[in-house]
Amino acid sequence: NAGVTQTPKFQVLKTGQSMTLQCAQDMNHEYMSWYRQDPGMGLRLIHYSVGAGITDQGEVPNGYNVSRSTTEDFPLRLLSAAPSQTSVYFCASSSTTGRNQPQHFGDGTRLSIL
Amino acid sequence: AQSVTQLGSHVSVSEGALVLLRCNYSSSVPPYLFWYVQYPNQGLQLLLKYTSAATLVKGINGFEAEFKKSETSFHLTKPSAHMSDAAEYFCAVNRGSQGNLIFGKGTKLSVKP
Repeated sequence: NAGVTQTPKFQVLKTGQSMTLQCAQDMNHEYMSWYRQDPGMGLRLIHYSVGAGITDQGEVPNGYNVSRSTTEDFPLRLLSAAPSQTSVYFCASSSTTGRNQPQHFGDGTRLSIL
Repeated sequence: AQSVTQLGSHVSVSEGALVLLRCNYSSSVPPYLFWYVQYPNQGLQLLLKYTSAATLVKGINGFEAEFKKSETSFHLTKPSAHMSDAAEYFCAVNRGSQGNLIFGKGTKLSVKP
């Protein structure tokens, strides 16, 4: 009963490096999203997808790319890491795109940019 | 536009005391509201959700919340706090036609023995 799986759990990068945060769900959910969590800021939406091949920007998309080639996977790419991207990143999914659907969250990736 | 305000970034109660975590929302459409809990180093877990079926919503672990349209509030309560309730709690409102959520800044609950 895996649910939403995020890898890696921890990562340290140097400024300017690139990396991909992985997210996979095994619930056949249409909707997937990425949030970042910063102290005192709650969670803010980065990008989301309503189905394979369809992605859109959220509240704070700058510096991040996403793609959705399969229903199960929704990776988040940092093209050139900056210290301002130090954060905890959460992937979430829900069964449909309906407004009343709760989202299921992964355990997060803790990312530090030096 | 939708928004959520959680009053109090930290709340401390004694074990056995009433827990009250406040959430006020702003929404241009009938809102769908959620409470999530986050334990240390974990993801967010759904406590309960309001989807217009009933104004008093019961959730997991003995928590409940009441939707009050006149006060634009969705406060979370639990009659008797337990040590295991210590966590951070987030109120969220659905952003629009899709599943995106707008979160409050969170309230960290401490429970004293």
